[in-house]
Amino acid sequence: GDSVTQMEGPVTLSEEAFLTINCTYTATGYPSLFWYVQYPGEGLQLLLKATKADDKGSNKGFEATYRKETTSFHLEKGSVQVSDSAVYFCALSDNTNAGKSTFGDGTTLTVKP
Amino acid sequence: GAVVSQHPSRVICKSGTSVKIECRSLDFQATTMFWYRQFPKQSLMLMATSNEGSKATYEQGVEKDKFLINHASLTLSTLTVTSAHPEDSSFYICSARASWGANTEAFFGQGTRLTVV
Repeated sequence: GDSVTQMEGPVTLSEEAFLTINCTYTATGYPSLFWYVQYPGEGLQLLLKATKADDKGSNKGFEATYRKETTSFHLEKGSVQVSDSAVYFCALSDNTNAGKSTFGDGTTLTVKP
Repeated sequence: GAVVSQHPSRVICKSGTSVKIECRSLDFQATTMFWYRQFPKQSLMLMATSNEGSKATYEQGVEKDKFLINHASLTLSTLTVTSAHPEDSSFYICSARASWGANTEAFFGQGTRLTVV
């Protein structure tokens, strides 16, 4: 079945540091890939997405590129802020299976001033 | 963008009672909605897929008689936790897809924090 493997956390960075959260996936079809962010006590917010190979999703300074050859969708940001502290989930949606989403375990990011 | 509203956001109930959680797509029709459960500091686990006008499809290990799902219209799905017990305390999140097929995304509700005392 489909699966998503995320870099284990927690990750602690200083403000303005470079962020990378690794994500790899296994899927039988041609999935769409997503990064979601969850702030404490809240639901999920879509951060960015990519729907086909070589697409780059970007939003709020975050970006991730759909790499089919390495089955990866790593999240990056050049300069993190304290307000970026949250839990980040990598997910895929298998477009051939009625749209179920499969999530990674989540990576907790803490940015210190 | 598409908005999914989940209600209530927080609920505390006594052990043995039932709790209903609503998931509404506010500005689009959703033939399929999904219900997830999230334990503290863990990922989201799919509980069931809710299809409008038909029975929900439950994931392995999810008790269908305990977690009743109804998808009576294209904009509303409900999850009822029956005879709730403290171990049912969790964060429940729904999502809805705007259309079925390639290049679509699921829009998530705000989640419901259920505490059973």
